[in-house]
Amino acid sequence: SQKIEQNSEALNIQEGKTATLTCNYTNYSPAYLQWYRQDPGRGPVFLLLIRENEKEKRKERLKVTFDTTLKQSLFHITASQPADSATYLCALVRGGFKTIFGAGTRLFVKA
Amino acid sequence: DTAVSQTPKYLVTQMGNDKSIKCEQNLGHDTMYWYKQDSKKFLKIMFSYNNKELIINETVPNRFSPKSPDKAHLNLHINSLELGDSAVYFCARSHEGRGAGVDTQYFGPGTRLTVL
Repeated sequence: SQKIEQNSEALNIQEGKTATLTCNYTNYSPAYLQWYRQDPGRGPVFLLLIRENEKEKRKERLKVTFDTTLKQSLFHITASQPADSATYLCALVRGGFKTIFGAGTRLFVKA
Repeated sequence: DTAVSQTPKYLVTQMGNDKSIKCEQNLGHDTMYWYKQDSKKFLKIMFSYNNKELIINETVPNRFSPKSPDKAHLNLHINSLELGDSAVYFCARSHEGRGAGVDTQYFGPGTRLTVL
């Protein structure tokens, strides 16, 4: 069955450092991959999308890579800030309307 | 502002009751969804409607029934509530049509359902 794995342990980093979150998947060939941010008590918010034929995508301090051979995406936040503390969800889409989400990784950025 | 609203924000009820959660989106987007997020934070799709037509119906007990009276609303009715139904339920919308492109999800604030 399709499976998405994100590091279930929280990631703690110091302000100003680069946070790197990992998303691995098996038994799936997504057409594209998305990253969302979720704050406590709120719904997920879309951040970035990367297609299967793209290697890297950037948006301000965010960078996403997508390796379809390794079946892995990396999500980077450079110059991290305490306000970046949240849970980050990886989501895979093949087509149609079904999006499969990972359980997310909690990021804590310490001042 | 995701332009998706849900009511109520919190819902506490007894086992066996029937309850509804309302969802409204005001951007005229074609597709609406219901997701369940359990205590382990997994976000799982339950239903999807496109132009008032049910297009995704995951393995969800038939106690759960979505109702789309019009394109702007997708309500979730739950009959005979059970303890295991306790979770946060999110309504979401997306703009792209069937297979047409990127189904970026825009989520509502969620409804925390607690069944006692």
